Amino acid sequence: DTAVSQTPKYLVTQMGNDKSIKCEQNLGHDTMYWYKQDSKKFLKIMFSYNNKELIINETVPNRFSPKSPDKAHLNLHINSLELGDSAVYFCASSQRRESYTFGSGTRLTVV
Amino acid sequence: GQQVMQIPQYQHVQEGEDFTTYCNSSTTLSNIQWYKQRPGGHPVFLIQLVKSGEVKKQKRLTFQFGEAKKNSSLHITATQTTDVGTYFCAEIKAAGNKLTFGGGTRVLVKP
Repeated sequence: DTAVSQTPKYLVTQMGNDKSIKCEQNLGHDTMYWYKQDSKKFLKIMFSYNNKELIINETVPNRFSPKSPDKAHLNLHINSLELGDSAVYFCASSQRRESYTFGSGTRLTVV
Repeated sequence: GQQVMQIPQYQHVQEGEDFTTYCNSSTTLSNIQWYKQRPGGHPVFLIQLVKSGEVKKQKRLTFQFGEAKKNSSLHITATQTTDVGTYFCAEIKAAGNKLTFGGGTRVLVKP
C-alpha cells in the first residue's frame, strides 16, 4: 500500500494550459504539503494544510491554487502554465512535528 | 531568514571509503532531520535529532547534533554504491510544522 500517492507521475504540457496534480495519503496524518524541487535539487515548501485548513502559503504565484477536500487529499491546480513552472512537485504528509512522508513526485515539463 | 547550509554540495567518494556531510545554521536549531533522495526518487526520512550533542547510528551511518545545536553531521563509513543520492538536512519548526531543507549534498560513488 502506497502511503502517499500522487498522480500523474509525469506531465508534459504547453505554456498557457491549466493542469492539476492530485495527492492522497492513507497514513491518517493531519497535515499535508506541496513542495517544489527545482533543477538544482533545492526543495522549497509551497503550501501546507492541516485538517483541510490552509496553514502555510509561501510566496507562490496566484496561478497556483491548492485544494483539500478532506484531510487525506490535497490537490494542486496550476493556471496559465509558464516555462519556469517546470520542476518536480512533491506532495508530503506528517503528523505534528514528526517525520514527513513524501509521494513519488510529479515531473512537470512546460514546453 | 534563517538558512540551513549544507557542505559540500557534491561529494565524489571511492567505494569503500568514508565521508562526512555537514549542515550548519547561524541560529540555534530546534531539531534536525536527515533525508535521502535517490536519483529519480523522492526524499525518504532517515533520522531526527533533538538533543544537544546527540549521536545516533544506523548501520554504517552516524548522525550527530552539535553541542550548540547549530550544526549537524552525517558520516558514512565504507561507502557502497547503494549510498548514491542526495542527502538533505532539514529543520522542522513548530509553526505550521514547516520543514525547511538545506541545499543537499549530492553523493556519487566510484566503484
